[in-house]
Amino acid sequence: KQEVTQIPAALSVPEGENLVLNCSFTDSAIYNLQWFRQDPGKGLTSLLLIQSSQREQTSGRLNASLDKSSGRSTLYIAASQPGDSATYLCALRDDKIIFGKGTRLHILP
Amino acid sequence: GAVVSQHPSWVICKSGTSVKIECRSLDFQATTMFWYRQFPKQSLMLMATSNEGSKATYEQGVEKDKFLINHASLTLSTLTVTSAHPEDSSFYICSAGGLRGKANYGYTFGSGTRLTVV
Repeated sequence: KQEVTQIPAALSVPEGENLVLNCSFTDSAIYNLQWFRQDPGKGLTSLLLIQSSQREQTSGRLNASLDKSSGRSTLYIAASQPGDSATYLCALRDDKIIFGKGTRLHILP
Repeated sequence: GAVVSQHPSWVICKSGTSVKIECRSLDFQATTMFWYRQFPKQSLMLMATSNEGSKATYEQGVEKDKFLINHASLTLSTLTVTSAHPEDSSFYICSAGGLRGKANYGYTFGSGTRLTVV
């Protein structure tokens, strides 16, 4: 059974710092991996989608990597801003889409 | 890009009443809709998968008679919480599965519905 783990569960960093969020999974047989952002009480905003054949995707200050062999993905946020404060979720697609519990990120002004 | 519209965004209802949540795909045809529930500080949990024109498939532990799902067209899926109780209070999100179910597409999510049962 696929399990998705996100570490840390919560993170606070000063504005301007670069940071890395981690996502690990137990079964490498996935179709793709997606990183989402969720603001309190809101729906999900897709940030980056990595196909199983890809190793990374970039969008602006965000970079996501995928290493299926080790069962890991990272989301790198450069030059963090207070507006980046949110919960970040990774999700895997095999037969279904399975979410991690998320990392609550707080950027300190 | 693909857009899924979910309504209402929030609803408060009395215990024992029923609530219907709608999800519409605005600019594409979604043959598959997924319904998720999220309790505070918990991850999203898949409740059921609905395919257009057929009965929904429910995850273990989800009562199909309580959470009625209808997916009668390629652009509309509904979730009805019947005889709602306070423990059903949660955040419900729908998702259209990868543009006709192709595995190499990501998912488009609705904006979610905050249900509070009093």
